[in-house]
Amino acid sequence: KAGVTQTPRYLIKTRGQQVTLSCSPISGHRSVSWYQQTPGQGLQFLFEYFSETQRNKGNFPGRFSGRQFSNSRSEMNVSTLELGDSALYLCASSLEAGVTEAFFGQGTRLTVV
Amino acid sequence: GNSVTQMEGPVTLSEEAFLTINCTYTATGYPSLFWYVQYPGEGLQLLLKATKADDKGSNKGFEATYRKETTSFHLEKGSVQVSDSAVYFCALRDLTGGGNKLTFGTGTQLKVEL
Repeated sequence: KAGVTQTPRYLIKTRGQQVTLSCSPISGHRSVSWYQQTPGQGLQFLFEYFSETQRNKGNFPGRFSGRQFSNSRSEMNVSTLELGDSALYLCASSLEAGVTEAFFGQGTRLTVV
Repeated sequence: GNSVTQMEGPVTLSEEAFLTINCTYTATGYPSLFWYVQYPGEGLQLLLKATKADDKGSNKGFEATYRKETTSFHLEKGSVQVSDSAVYFCALRDLTGGGNKLTFGTGTQLKVEL
């Protein structure tokens, strides 16, 4: 069974640009969550999608957005990039709400210059 | 709100030493608790979990017991190996209100030397 796939693995963008990251969850999983990991702030929750609906949202500005498609694949978008957006962005998939564990992808390393 | 507190790292041990990484939590409901491990350049891998009080999660020689009375979920391993060198994250999921949001601790780096 394939794991969680995130693309691309590495990305370099310039301040002010926008970026789209992609996440394909484990087959059959309907919940996809996104996290930002930085040395200063650690792992912070961005948002969660379930059956194409945003179910939870973290404390990030509106420049961060996401969506989920009918096949459960998810994208997150960051507009007007800032230097502080440089981070490892991790996607996690879960089968369902409840006591099911989350499986993480390898992440997308975004560098903003 | 929910929070997870982990002991500061890095923790440096000799191979075959005993490992304890402390983790305590604050939660409004009855959370599930997890330990994740992150190797350099990789995402997070689930190490073990516990879903209710007094549950013991175990995997690859690592163990942690869900202690509701002390709100703790300390990670232990009897004999560490060099290959255990990684960053370990304690996390909770509070199902109050639904959803799969995880709250993480700051992570503890473990270095195991020969």
